[in-house]
Amino acid sequence: LAKTTQPISMDSYEGQEVNITCSHNNIATNDYITWYQQFPSQGPRFIIQGYKTKVTNEVASLFIPADRKSSTLSLPRVSLSDTAVYYCLVGDMYNQGGKLIFGQGTELSVKP
Amino acid sequence: DTGVSQNPRHKITKRGQNVTFRCDPISEHNRLYWYRQTLGQGPEFLTYFQNEAQLEKSRLLSDRFSAERPKGSFSTLEIQRTEQGDSAMYLCASSRFETGGYEQYFGPGTRLTVT
Repeated sequence: LAKTTQPISMDSYEGQEVNITCSHNNIATNDYITWYQQFPSQGPRFIIQGYKTKVTNEVASLFIPADRKSSTLSLPRVSLSDTAVYYCLVGDMYNQGGKLIFGQGTELSVKP
Repeated sequence: DTGVSQNPRHKITKRGQNVTFRCDPISEHNRLYWYRQTLGQGPEFLTYFQNEAQLEKSRLLSDRFSAERPKGSFSTLEIQRTEQGDSAMYLCASSRFETGGYEQYFGPGTRLTVT
């Protein structure tokens, strides 16, 4: 399973775009990149998943360079309610039974 | 779709007692996962089921832990002879096999405190 490295914490202000970068130097060919969000006292929530290039949904964008050794989660115009922990996960979920391996995550604090 | 539910939400028990938690997944989901999370850490995988079959157990899951999913619907996680180190949030998640398990829907968790 590819090991991921992401910043422990980040601060931002309402209305700004936030980019959280995750490093995964030993990502394997069959690995996908998945991001989850977790609010205090709640279970994690799926945000976005990608394999290469760019993926966008109604919540976020995921940028993956050609070498796939890193990825960046982009949250447009954050609000106070985006304060949460964001986890980057890398793995071949199809062949590992969907078992999610979480790291420590990035604690994002959005200030007014 | 009522989401994944877990009961109880909180449990306080004395060391040495047995506890059982229940998870009700989203009805059409055939995969069910259990995770454990301690303060400041990400969730740790414990075990998962596909329908009623338990397909994988983490090495974290000692002999004191047992999980079942009779009839492939709800699941229970039992901890026997609880220890203070078992204090954590126990999370349940479910997904559809067809989506590869990437998108899992988590319940609110059961917070266990062992005194």
